[in-house]
Amino acid sequence: DGGITQSPKYLFRKEGQNVTLSCEQNLNHDAMYWYRQDPGQGLRLIYYSQIVNDFQKGDIAEGYSVSREKKESFPLTVTSAQKNPTAFYLCASSIKGQGSGNTIYFGEGSWLTVV
Amino acid sequence: AQKVTQAQTEISVVEKEDVTLDCVYETRDTTYYLFWYKQPPSGELVFLIRRNSFDEQNEISGRYSWNFQKSTSSFNFTITASQVVDSAVYFCALSEYRGGSGSRLTFGEGTQLTVNP
Repeated sequence: DGGITQSPKYLFRKEGQNVTLSCEQNLNHDAMYWYRQDPGQGLRLIYYSQIVNDFQKGDIAEGYSVSREKKESFPLTVTSAQKNPTAFYLCASSIKGQGSGNTIYFGEGSWLTVV
Repeated sequence: AQKVTQAQTEISVVEKEDVTLDCVYETRDTTYYLFWYKQPPSGELVFLIRRNSFDEQNEISGRYSWNFQKSTSSFNFTITASQVVDSAVYFCALSEYRGGSGSRLTFGEGTQLTVNP
C-alpha cells in the first residue's frame, strides 16, 4: 500500500539521550515535513525538505536535526538539547513544496515520552 | 503573518444532529490555500478538502459541506446528520503561495468534536 510510515509508534527516552524517529514514504513525493503536536494545540513545523540533500528549519527547529539522503526517507533526531521533547510527532509529504499549495499527507505519528 | 483561529475548542452533539465547525483566517496574500483535516483517536491526520483563494464555490461531499467566504475570511465546515464515527479533532489550515519555497502550512488549534449515540 502507498503511504507514509512512521516508526516507532511509541518511544520512551531518558533525559540526555538522543532519539531518532523514522519516516518513510512510497508516494514518490518530493517534499517531506516534520510537525510537532502538543495536547490541545495545533501542529507546529519543525523542519521541511523540498528535495534530496536539502532541508530548511521550520518554526521550532531548536533541539532537532534531520537528514534527507534519499527521496523516500526523512528521519528526525530529537537531541538532548530539546528541553521539552514529550509530544506527538507527525511526518508528512507532498508532491511539491508547500508554496505551491499542494496537499500535504500525514503519517500515523509517533509518541515520544521523556522518562 | 498568517493565522488560523478555530474558536470552538470542543463541541458535543447527539447523533443525527448537524454541526458546524468554524474557521477564521488571516493573511496578507491574495493567493492562498485552505485545508481541513480530521484527526481520529488513532492520531493520523486525514485530508478532507483543499480550496484555493480564487474559488469561493461551496462544496458538498456526502454529509460534509464547506462554506468559504472571503468577505469574512472564513472557511466553515458542516457535518450533516452526524455519526459517532465523526468524533475526532478537526483542524483548519492555511497555506500561502510562495512559488515553491519558503511558505508555511499554518494550523488552527483544532476543534474536538464528540458525537454521542
